[in-house]
Amino acid sequence: GAVVSQHPSRVICKSGTSVKIECRSLDFQATTMFWYRQFPKQSLMLMATSNEGSKATYEQGVEKDKFLINHASLTLSTLTVTSAHPEDSSFYICSVGSTEAFFGQGTRLTVV
Amino acid sequence: QQQVKQSPQSLIVQKGGISIINCAYENTAFDYFPWYQQFPGKGPALLIAIRPDVSEKKEGRFTISFNKSAKQFSLHIMDSQPGDSATYFCAASSTTTGYSTLTFGKGTMLLVSP
Repeated sequence: GAVVSQHPSRVICKSGTSVKIECRSLDFQATTMFWYRQFPKQSLMLMATSNEGSKATYEQGVEKDKFLINHASLTLSTLTVTSAHPEDSSFYICSVGSTEAFFGQGTRLTVV
Repeated sequence: QQQVKQSPQSLIVQKGGISIINCAYENTAFDYFPWYQQFPGKGPALLIAIRPDVSEKKEGRFTISFNKSAKQFSLHIMDSQPGDSATYFCAASSTTTGYSTLTFGKGTMLLVSP
């Protein structure tokens, strides 16, 4: 399966600042990547679909101005959490492949 | 129609026993059913998957049983080991309609006691 690398694995930021999370597909050229959010002991919630060279598609209820997604190449997608607040603290995971999905190791974001 | 219902929420099994996790779906367009294993602080890893043209698929100690008429599928872990302790998610997607992204169940926390 595809190898997906996410960075950083953990990040702590102050309330009001922005944080960027990178998702790299190491062995697979991905025209689409997916960003999920997972709260403790809960399932994965799809936030948005990242499309190479075009705008991301956001799921209902996800603020596109808060969660900025850029997919500049076939191997890299970034998620920027802007003006982060404590309620944005969560586990963010990216994946490659819509049906047979391969996930990154996740990023634990803590906003203090 | 996009829901995937998973049970039980948590499960404790003795080492060497059989762990069984069940999922049910509603959308008849779903045609791909994977199971993911997730350890704390890690991303989910694909464990095993099945398509509805077969009723069972086995990979090592892991078996998926699929019942198309009942719209149910289950994961069986034979000879469960403490290293299997993790959260398991079932999922479903459709490769032919607009539901190509995965719909996940709520997860089952499995604890295999030594």
